[in-house]
Amino acid sequence: GAVVSQHPSRVICKSGTSVKIECRSLDFQATTMFWYRQFPKKSLMLMATSNEGSKATYEQGVEKDKFLINHASLTLSTLTVTSAHPEDSSFYICSARSGGAYEQYFGPGTRLTVT
Amino acid sequence: LAKTTQPISMDSYEGQEVNITCSHNNIATNDYITWYQQFPSQGPRFIIQGYKTKVTNEVASLFIPADRKSSTLSLPRVSLSDTAVYYCLTGGPSSSNTGKLIFGQGTTLQVKP
Repeated sequence: GAVVSQHPSRVICKSGTSVKIECRSLDFQATTMFWYRQFPKKSLMLMATSNEGSKATYEQGVEKDKFLINHASLTLSTLTVTSAHPEDSSFYICSARSGGAYEQYFGPGTRLTVT
Repeated sequence: LAKTTQPISMDSYEGQEVNITCSHNNIATNDYITWYQQFPSQGPRFIIQGYKTKVTNEVASLFIPADRKSSTLSLPRVSLSDTAVYYCLTGGPSSSNTGKLIFGQGTTLQVKP
């Protein structure tokens, strides 16, 4: 149980285009989802917290107009990187938790490369 | 949010027991201690969680002293496949951080043959 998937696992896009990453909780309802990014040999950095049906809460320094987060259902959250640039190339990871539970379950990550 | 401190790296050999200690001097009363494992290009994987004393599961043990200012993850008889980054985090349902996890630098464990 407690499986979180991400799609795509890997994506290459051209500079200036937008790319959408999906995060799904497969066997539980995720009231809260989190988005992280991770650069090579670095730790995970929390980008935003997403609650179903409400606007995401972004961490300091994360541009909300560049990283659009939608959590329209209890099993799906999406992260859209708008007008991507090479510096947005990174490993994006989502996690999900259910209700008041503390445990988070992580997705396998999405490798974004912007050329 | 409680800040955690771990060694940046550790080396071990196959078959040995590995103990990774994490300091969390400012842990809140209701916070739990959770350890995650991460392989390259994968999401973190839950290993173990505890509040106090000792917790054991099929992959690891977690030792937490009475003052809860530190914890030790113990991996028995490691193998090459245990080479990974291990993260120690603190937090809980009642934390004011809305459940978000703040990752520290983690400990890179290298298991050698």
